[in-house]
Amino acid sequence: LAKTTQPISMDSYEGQEVNITCSHNNIATNDYITWYQQFPSQGPRFIIQGYKTKVTNEVASLFIPADRKSSTLSLPRVSLSDTAVYYCLVGDMRSSASKIIFGSGTRLSIRP
Amino acid sequence: DAGVIQSPRHEVTEMGQEVTLRCKPISGHDYLFWYRQTMMRGLELLIYFNNNVPIDDSGMPEDRFSAKMPNASFSTLKIQPSEPRDSAVYFCASYARGQGITGELFFGEGSRLTVL
Repeated sequence: LAKTTQPISMDSYEGQEVNITCSHNNIATNDYITWYQQFPSQGPRFIIQGYKTKVTNEVASLFIPADRKSSTLSLPRVSLSDTAVYYCLVGDMRSSASKIIFGSGTRLSIRP
Repeated sequence: DAGVIQSPRHEVTEMGQEVTLRCKPISGHDYLFWYRQTMMRGLELLIYFNNNVPIDDSGMPEDRFSAKMPNASFSTLKIQPSEPRDSAVYFCASYARGQGITGELFFGEGSRLTVL
């Protein structure tokens, strides 16, 4: 079971780039790294997923080093609406959906 | 598609009463998950189904909790009898294995349960 560790909270300001790092030292060969975002009173929402190197979409970038023991979610030019809890998940949905655990997440607060 | 639909959005009940939460997954999704979220324990997986069959219910806290999926478009989570410690937000999520490796879970807006 790949456990993840991420900061409990982070603060930043509007317009800044925010990087949230997640550690997953015992990631398995078939595991993917997935990030979700959760606003108050809503269910989590998928942001991005990757296996290695770098993945970018319209919302964020995900950087994964060669050893895959960590990953960094990068949010460019954040705004107040990016204030949310961000979860890093590691696992292979195809083979072990129940082993994909939502940890405590990182509570990101964006200030004006 | 309207997304994952849960009902009720809010429920307030008294200890000992039966509670039934409902979920309609996204059409075509073959996996359905029930999660519970509290401040103390975060987001916990209770049970998940594949093609309407329960695959893993090890997260169900006790026998008072039961879940069914009679068809591909409907699932229920029942608590009988309810207790104050069951107060939480219950989320339903669905996933389509056929969408490939992305494994994107689609969550509903949740059912906030308060047991007095």
